[in-house]
Amino acid sequence: KAGVTQTPRYLIKTRGQQVTLSCSPISGHRSVSWYQQTPGQGLQFLFEYFSETQRNKGNFPGRFSGRQFSNSRSEMNVSTLELGDSALYLCASSLEGRVTEAFFGQGTRLTVV
Amino acid sequence: GESVGLHLPTLSVQEGDNSIINCAYSNSASDYFIWYKQESGKGPQFIIDIRSNMDKRQGQRVTVLLNKTVKHLSLQIAATQPGDSAVYFCAEPRLSGGNMLTFGGGTRLMVKP
Repeated sequence: KAGVTQTPRYLIKTRGQQVTLSCSPISGHRSVSWYQQTPGQGLQFLFEYFSETQRNKGNFPGRFSGRQFSNSRSEMNVSTLELGDSALYLCASSLEGRVTEAFFGQGTRLTVV
Repeated sequence: GESVGLHLPTLSVQEGDNSIINCAYSNSASDYFIWYKQESGKGPQFIIDIRSNMDKRQGQRVTVLLNKTVKHLSLQIAATQPGDSAVYFCAEPRLSGGNMLTFGGGTRLMVKP
């Protein structure tokens, strides 16, 4: 079966702009989590969505937001981009209660210039 | 609070040797740990997990050891191969539910031919 698909793979934006990243989970997976990966901070949890509701949220400013659609696809949005938002954004999908079987996408590499 | 960290940022080993990657955690209530492998350009991939009621768990060429007394776990890779070159993370699920993972800083394993 198809894995977790993230689009786009690469993105270059200018400071002050906003960006939307997309994640299509594995079929049947209703939990979608987002992570930010940077060389300095490592992998940090952004938020988790389950059944169109945000269930958990990491320690990120309100400029970072997300949503989940009825087909479990998820988007995350970053507004008023800052240079420090440059990172690899990873999406993971899993069945409910099966965090050990979280499958990650290849990520979206965002560069803010 | 929940905290997972790694001892060494980079580990270089000769092909065929055994590799040991270490991880420390701070929450004595932690009851579950997961090791992930992240190859260049890819998202993290599940390797092996261990529950706190176990001291050791073995997989194919990998073994995870858990020492609850000193709150330390390690990943051992036997007969390290070039394909093992990657960044390895230990991770811990959120204790209060949901599919959220807290990751350690990561160790880069480099295998010399």
